[in-house]
Amino acid sequence: KAGVTQTPRYLIKTRGQQVTLSCSPISGHRSVSWYQQTPGQGLQFLFEYFSETQRNKGNFPGRFSGRQFSNSRSEMNVSTLELGDSALYLCASSLAASVQETQYFGPGTRLLVL
Amino acid sequence: GEDVEQSLFLSVREGDSSVINCTYTDSSSTYLYWYKQEPGAGLQLLTYIFSNMDMKQDQRLTVLLNKKDKHLSLRIADTQTGDSAIYFCAESRRGSTLGRLYFGRGTQLTVWP
Repeated sequence: KAGVTQTPRYLIKTRGQQVTLSCSPISGHRSVSWYQQTPGQGLQFLFEYFSETQRNKGNFPGRFSGRQFSNSRSEMNVSTLELGDSALYLCASSLAASVQETQYFGPGTRLLVL
Repeated sequence: GEDVEQSLFLSVREGDSSVINCTYTDSSSTYLYWYKQEPGAGLQLLTYIFSNMDMKQDQRLTVLLNKKDKHLSLRIADTQTGDSAIYFCAESRRGSTLGRLYFGRGTQLTVWP
């Protein structure tokens, strides 16, 4: 069974631009969570989607948004990019995201904002 | 990750055992996880333990959980240079935090030949 895939793997943008990242979960998984990883802040939770609904959201500004499609694929969007948005963005999928469900991570998208 | 604490660095010699420690504060933790991250890669799930268990062994990996002290450890037997990576402890919690894991800052394990 294929793992979690994320595209693109690397991205370079300039301040003020917007970016869209994509995540395809493991087949049959319906929950997708997104995390931002930076050297300074570590792994921070962005949001989680299940059956096209956002169920949980971390403490990020409204510039960070996401959505989930009927096939469980998810996208996240960051508008008006800032230098501090440079990070590794990880998505994780699980079957249904109850507390018993293990999350499996993709390889991440490394975003550099210049 | 402010509620999950890990030491930042650990160095061991190849062939020795490594013990990576983690403490957490939330008593509603249900599952506790260990993930491994190699340079430039995502997080690889190593193992996990349910909060009502004391120990779990999986080949070279042994997880110990002391729920009273909220202390979790990961022991890697016969550590190899390929085990060099960052190891993250993470917990899942009951309630409204479905789909969210709480992570420590990670422990950088360096294995010397």
